[in-house]
Amino acid sequence: DTEVTQTPKHLVMGMTNKKSLKCEQHMGHRAMYWYKQKAKKPPELMFVYSYEKLSINESVPSRFSPECPNSSLLNLHLHALQPEDSALYLCASSQDYAGGGPLHFGNGTRLTVT
Amino acid sequence: GQNIDQPTEMTATEGAIVQINCTYQTSGFNGLFWYQQHAGEAPTFLSYNVLDGLEEKGRFSSFLSRSKGYSYLLLKELQMKDSASYLCACSRGSQGNLIFGKGTKLSVKP
Repeated sequence: DTEVTQTPKHLVMGMTNKKSLKCEQHMGHRAMYWYKQKAKKPPELMFVYSYEKLSINESVPSRFSPECPNSSLLNLHLHALQPEDSALYLCASSQDYAGGGPLHFGNGTRLTVT
Repeated sequence: GQNIDQPTEMTATEGAIVQINCTYQTSGFNGLFWYQQHAGEAPTFLSYNVLDGLEEKGRFSSFLSRSKGYSYLLLKELQMKDSASYLCACSRGSQGNLIFGKGTKLSVKP
């Protein structure tokens, strides 16, 4: 079982809805990540939080809004999404951002935008 | 810039050995990671190489040559459950985020 927990596992939302994806880890990791993965493509980085501060935003549209309430939690708020945003959204954590160690992924949220 | 190349697909027979190659061109290269991803599931960490040489973990081994920008993942005694995509990924400098290759889809046949 993964030590990074994501909820919900599946989400279907309309283009006018507001929803949130949640991620939690209790490994004491200080870096947390959001990746987006389309079918048959590799994961693509969206955001990085290091010590609860946003370190990287890979030019992600503002309809995606990350939040890191504390060192164990990471949220991704969704608003006015487009059908092309349908994908697997993966949360990951690592011991610290500059440490170069492995990322540990959650099982992801499969998002469908209708 | 950066570029990570690996074969798109490979097929191997149960019980055999397969080697999946990865070449990379990454400024400020720090380390090389291999992940396994079954369809519809999250990537699972397999191995991590920082220094040149071979890292062995049970049936899985990974090799790195920094001077050649080259790595491989070696899977021995293949099992049907090893059918999955194998992702090569690089980290750079002081950045912890990983840049992934496109993945190699391995099919293990009886």
